[in-house]
Amino acid sequence: EVVLTQSPGTLSLSPGERVTFSCRASQSISSSYLAWYQHKPGQAPRLLIYDTSSRATGIPDRFSGSGSGTDFTLTISRLEPEDFAVYYCQQYGGSPGTFGQGTKVEIK
Amino acid sequence: EVQLLESGGGLVRPGGSLTLSCAASGFTFSSYAMNWVRQAPGKGLEWVSGISRSGSTTSYRESVKGRFTISRDNSKDTVHLHMNSLRVDDTALYYCAKGPRGYAGNWFDSWGQGTLVTVSS
Repeated sequence: EVVLTQSPGTLSLSPGERVTFSCRASQSISSSYLAWYQHKPGQAPRLLIYDTSSRATGIPDRFSGSGSGTDFTLTISRLEPEDFAVYYCQQYGGSPGTFGQGTKVEIK
Repeated sequence: EVQLLESGGGLVRPGGSLTLSCAASGFTFSSYAMNWVRQAPGKGLEWVSGISRSGSTTSYRESVKGRFTISRDNSKDTVHLHMNSLRVDDTALYYCAKGPRGYAGNWFDSWGQGTLVTVSS
């Protein structure tokens, strides 16, 4: 099973700041099969990025994804108030698909 | 608009059974794989099971194999998760999640709000 490690666990930031999330895999992820989700308390998780860098429908272009092999990143170019949430990466190149433990972005 | 509405959660004793259901709307249900993903209290997300668009192919995480069964009814746009021999560590919020293709093993492009399963004596 591919283990995904996200860092850091929590970020304290202000609106307007740029943020980069890291997701490191225990083994190379085939064909860059990696996705990112945003999850707010009491809400359904929301797909942001799939196939490493493709934005899901309706996702603003301030969200971008990159990476390959074992190292992947999600970047929010400028934090908006609605972006404070937990962010998860997920790999689907190996079976079973697995998630990282999440990075929480909180208001500073 | 895609909508996924889970139901069937509740409190059950260890060793007991429960069936979760997910009613889908807003898309051609029979064209897409469906999945169940869970989140234990204070923990992250964990994929549980997936089923292909026709129902002919199913998959499970190792810890639920032999205890959980996923099924779907394309005439009613619903997917079910039948859970037997429940354990305390099955306690979680269970989400129904839609895949982008007819086969499982992809990302999840729409999610429901979840239904809570609590296994406790």
